[in-house]
Amino acid sequence: AAGVIQSPRHLIKEKRETATLKCYPIPRHDTVYWYQQGPGQDPQFLISFYEKMQSDKGSIPDRFSAQQFSDYHSELNMSSLELGDSALYFCASSPREGAVADTQYFGPGTRLTVL
Amino acid sequence: AQSVTQLGSHVSVSEGALVLLRCNYSSSVPPYLFWYVQYPNQGLQLLLKYTTGATLVKGINGFEAEFKKSETSFHLTKPSAHMSDAAEYFCAVSPILTGGGNKLTFGTGTQLKVEL
Repeated sequence: AAGVIQSPRHLIKEKRETATLKCYPIPRHDTVYWYQQGPGQDPQFLISFYEKMQSDKGSIPDRFSAQQFSDYHSELNMSSLELGDSALYFCASSPREGAVADTQYFGPGTRLTVL
Repeated sequence: AQSVTQLGSHVSVSEGALVLLRCNYSSSVPPYLFWYVQYPNQGLQLLLKYTTGATLVKGINGFEAEFKKSETSFHLTKPSAHMSDAAEYFCAVSPILTGGGNKLTFGTGTQLKVEL
């Protein structure tokens, strides 16, 4: 079965640089969620999109922005990177309807390292 | 606000022994509850979920969990541990909403170690 695809899987950046993380949801899933998992931490919700509109916002820094495109893929843009942004970034997708409605399926994550 | 508390950041069991990972939730309204497993350097895999209906939920890999409203608990169990069960387990809660508002709030995780 198709899964959530995230790219790149690993990313190394310098402080103050920018980074773009991409997420391709499972086909026919219309909702995308972004989470950040710091070392030894539980995942923290950043932001979500439903039908290309932002649906909820969590503890996402102002330096970060995200959007969902017409093909439902999503991109998380991170600017002025700081050392503390080093983390595993997960994308999850879910369908609004059907047997697995509102169940989030996670991608493998993008490991961002800021030097 | 919703939250979950996982008792025990590390649990160690012998192979073949019962696995019991504890999770208590706090929510002003009936929530959805989930258990996810994370293997090293991998993403989160859904083990099982509770939405409505039967309070005993069976998941993958022989795991099950029981929703007990009176105890606000959703403990994860497996009758017989296997070496391959060694991983980190996260309990999570989300509100029952529509339209993409179902953000997950995770517990702090329980690292399960399985010994020979």
